[in-house]
Amino acid sequence: AQKITQTQPGMFVQEKEAVTLDCTYDTSDPSYGLFWYKQPSSGEMIFLIYQGSYDQQNATEGRYSLNFQKARKSANLVISASQLGDSAMYFCAMRLGSTLGRLYFGRGTQLTVWP
Amino acid sequence: DTGVSQDPRHKITKRGQNVTFRCDPISEHNRLYWYRQTLGQGPEFLTYFQNEAQLEKSRLLSDRFSAERPKGSFSTLEIQRTEQGDSAMYLCASSQTGTSGTWEQFFGPGTRLTVL
Repeated sequence: AQKITQTQPGMFVQEKEAVTLDCTYDTSDPSYGLFWYKQPSSGEMIFLIYQGSYDQQNATEGRYSLNFQKARKSANLVISASQLGDSAMYFCAMRLGSTLGRLYFGRGTQLTVWP
Repeated sequence: DTGVSQDPRHKITKRGQNVTFRCDPISEHNRLYWYRQTLGQGPEFLTYFQNEAQLEKSRLLSDRFSAERPKGSFSTLEIQRTEQGDSAMYLCASSQTGTSGTWEQFFGPGTRLTVL
């Protein structure tokens, strides 16, 4: 069975500091994609970054980078230079390459950025 | 360029009533997904369509749940004989498939259902 684990229910970081949100995954499918989404209190899920299982380099999108360690089955999100607006729920998700359909989500990490 | 829209945004109903939600995907997207999210949890997959064909249904989707996408554009999700356990946020997402790209799913604002 496919599974995403986010072990940090809550994280706190001071503005302008970097923070790492942990995500581990489990699948026997050799082809998969890993996603991070942000969900502010308004409720809408916002796509942040994607990493494919065959990608050789870690994905980066602006202040977001994904620390992909395939052997450890981890896909941690790194947010550099945190901003107050980064305070939100963050979800890690996986899509299997064999189906390219549904996303499997973790339980999320609530990030709070303080001034 | 409009995003995914959902209607209504909030729905309060009494147990046993039927409810229907609508989702309008991004216009060029051929895939449409429904998820359910309860408090403190990540979204759980319900079903998805490619054009008008329903390709996968979760076991979470009991016989009381039905989804349609009749013309491959908007979709409806109906819950019959609602139960208090159906109270949740219902999220719709869409994506465009192709030969390349991440095919990321774009989410709508959700419909929050409260069953009294």
